[in-house]
Amino acid sequence: SQKIEQNSEALNIQEGKTATLTCNYTNYSPAYLQWYRQDPGRGPVFLLLIRENEKEKRKERLKVTFDTTLKQSLFHITASQPADSATYLCALQGSGGGADGLTFGKGTHLIIQP
Amino acid sequence: DTGVSQDPRHKITKRGQNVTFRCDPISEHNRLYWYRQTLGQGPEFLTYFQNEAQLEKSRLLSDRFSAERPKGSFSTLEIQRTEQGDSAMYLCASSPTPRMNTEAFFGQGTRLTVV
Repeated sequence: SQKIEQNSEALNIQEGKTATLTCNYTNYSPAYLQWYRQDPGRGPVFLLLIRENEKEKRKERLKVTFDTTLKQSLFHITASQPADSATYLCALQGSGGGADGLTFGKGTHLIIQP
Repeated sequence: DTGVSQDPRHKITKRGQNVTFRCDPISEHNRLYWYRQTLGQGPEFLTYFQNEAQLEKSRLLSDRFSAERPKGSFSTLEIQRTEQGDSAMYLCASSPTPRMNTEAFFGQGTRLTVV
């Protein structure tokens, strides 16, 4: 069955450093990979989408890489700030035009310490 | 643009009762999704609508669950004969078409507690 693994433990990073989150998957060939941020008691908020034929995507302080050979995505937040503290979810999607929904990992809880 | 709206935000019900949740997607979005999220887990896909047509249902959606999207606008998710295992956050998301595989816009969710 499809499986998505994200760092199960909280990730503590000092303010100003780069936070790197990992998403590994098995038994899946996603056409798209997305990253979401989720704060406690709130719905996920979209951050970045990367396609299977793209290696890297950037948006402001965020960078995502996608390696379909390793079946892995890395999510980087540079110059991290306490306000970046949240749970970050990796989500995979096939090429079914949205009909197959998103398959989410459990998320990584990121804590940026001042 | 008020985003995706869900109602109620919280619902406490006794086991065996029926509950209904409502989702109002972003007005120009044709696609609407329902997900369920339990503590410490990521959202799990339940079902998907393209306009008023329900095109996909997860095996997680037992026969006690039913979803509708009349007229392709708002959607409702009903759970009959609730069980304690139904306690979770129910999230609704919408996305635009005809662009495919775009990001999903989530509502704040309805937290259901079955006692």
